[in-house]
Amino acid sequence: AQTVTQSQPEMSVQEAETVTLSCTYDTSESDYYLFWYKQPPSRQMILVIRQEAYKQQNATENRFSVNFQKAAKSFSLKISDSQLGDAAMYFCAYRRNDMRFGAGTRLTVKP
Amino acid sequence: GAVVSQHPSRVICKSGTSVKIECRSLDFQATTMFWYRQFPKQSLMLMATSNEGSKATYEQGVEKDKFLINHASLTLSTLTVTSAHPEDSSFYICSARSLGAHNSPLHFGNGTRLTVT
Repeated sequence: AQTVTQSQPEMSVQEAETVTLSCTYDTSESDYYLFWYKQPPSRQMILVIRQEAYKQQNATENRFSVNFQKAAKSFSLKISDSQLGDAAMYFCAYRRNDMRFGAGTRLTVKP
Repeated sequence: GAVVSQHPSRVICKSGTSVKIECRSLDFQATTMFWYRQFPKQSLMLMATSNEGSKATYEQGVEKDKFLINHASLTLSTLTVTSAHPEDSSFYICSARSLGAHNSPLHFGNGTRLTVT
C-alpha cells in the first residue's frame, strides 16, 4: 500500500520569507502523480501544485515550487515570498488510482 | 473550471437516524468519485471509491453496510450514513475525477460537517 509521510506537524515562517514543507512517500509503482493541497479553515481543498512522476523537471506555480526526488521518494514544497494568506494546512498527496494524503503540516505566517 | 457540489454543507441528526450526502459533478462527467472522512486536526482518510454503475470499493475497516454508497449516474454519487451514532460525527468530503482524464487532479466538494447528537 502506498503511504505518504509529512514529518512536520507545524511550521512557521516570517512574511516575505521562504519555507519548505517536507513529504516522503512509499510506492513500488513507477508511474504516479504527486500533489500538494492547501486547506484553509473553510476546509475547502485547494490544489497548489502537481507533479507527474515521469517528468524530471520540478513543477513551479508562481511562488510555489517543488523539489521532486524520485529515487529518494521525496516531494517537498517550497513557498517563496510567503504571504499571510498562505497560512493553512498543507497536505501532500500521492495518486495512482485513488489519492492518499499525508497527515498534513500546519503553516503559520508571521507578519 | 471543474466544479463539484456537495450537499448538505452541514447536518445535525439524532442518533439512530440515517443521513444522505450528495456529491455532484456540475460541468463534467465523473466515472469515479472518492469519499473521504476527516476528523478534527487530522488528514483525509479514504473511505471508499465509487464507480458509476458498479459497487463501491471500500477501504479496510470501513463498514459497507453502515456507509452506503450509490453512484447511479456520471454526475452523482451519494453517501448514506445509516443508523448514525455520535462517533460518526466528522467532516466528509467527496472528490471526482473527470471521465478519461487519468492525469488530472481530483476536484473536491466543499465537504459536509455531520454532527450526530
